[in-house]
Amino acid sequence: AQTVTQSQPEMSVQEAETVTLSCTYDTSESDYYLFWYKQPPSRQMILVIRQEAYKQQNATENRFSVNFQKAAKSFSLKISDSQLGDAAMYFCAYLWGSGSARQLTFGSGTQLTVLP
Amino acid sequence: EPEVTQTPSHQVTQMGQEVILRCVPISNHLYFYWYRQILGQKVEFLVSFYNNEISEKSEIFDDQFSVERPDGSNFTLKIRSTKLEDSAMYFCASSEDFGGRKTQYFGPGTRLLVL
Repeated sequence: AQTVTQSQPEMSVQEAETVTLSCTYDTSESDYYLFWYKQPPSRQMILVIRQEAYKQQNATENRFSVNFQKAAKSFSLKISDSQLGDAAMYFCAYLWGSGSARQLTFGSGTQLTVLP
Repeated sequence: EPEVTQTPSHQVTQMGQEVILRCVPISNHLYFYWYRQILGQKVEFLVSFYNNEISEKSEIFDDQFSVERPDGSNFTLKIRSTKLEDSAMYFCASSEDFGGRKTQYFGPGTRLLVL
């Protein structure tokens, strides 16, 4: 079964500093997709970044980047120049299944606090 | 930018009552999903839906749950006889298909409280 593990229930970072959130996953598939979603207090799920497993290059979206280590099954999220608005719960997610029967498996989340 | 919408944002119901949660997926998306998140817990998959059929469902999605696409735009989740443990945030999501378009975009959620 696919599992996603986020070992850091809580993290904090000083405003303007950099923070890295960890995620590991377990899979026997070779082609898959990984995501980071952000959930602010409103509880909406907002896509932060996506990584296709067949791509060796790490994905980047503005201040957000990932460190994708396929062999180690690791997918960490780096937030640079942290802003107060980055404070939220961050979920790592793995997309699995084939054809129309796809689903996301989520980690347990990391609550990020940004300190002014 | 197109987005998934959900109504209502909040729903309070009595145990044993039926509720219908509504979603309007992004218009050119073909795959639809429901997830739920009990307060303080991780997001859990309920069901996926494609071509007017359920593609996959989890153990949570028992006979009390059903989904429907009643017209060309809405996607609904019905809970026939709600239980206290159904209290959760329910998220609808939609996606296209190929490559990066497998990304699932989530709606803002419906917060369901069963009393």
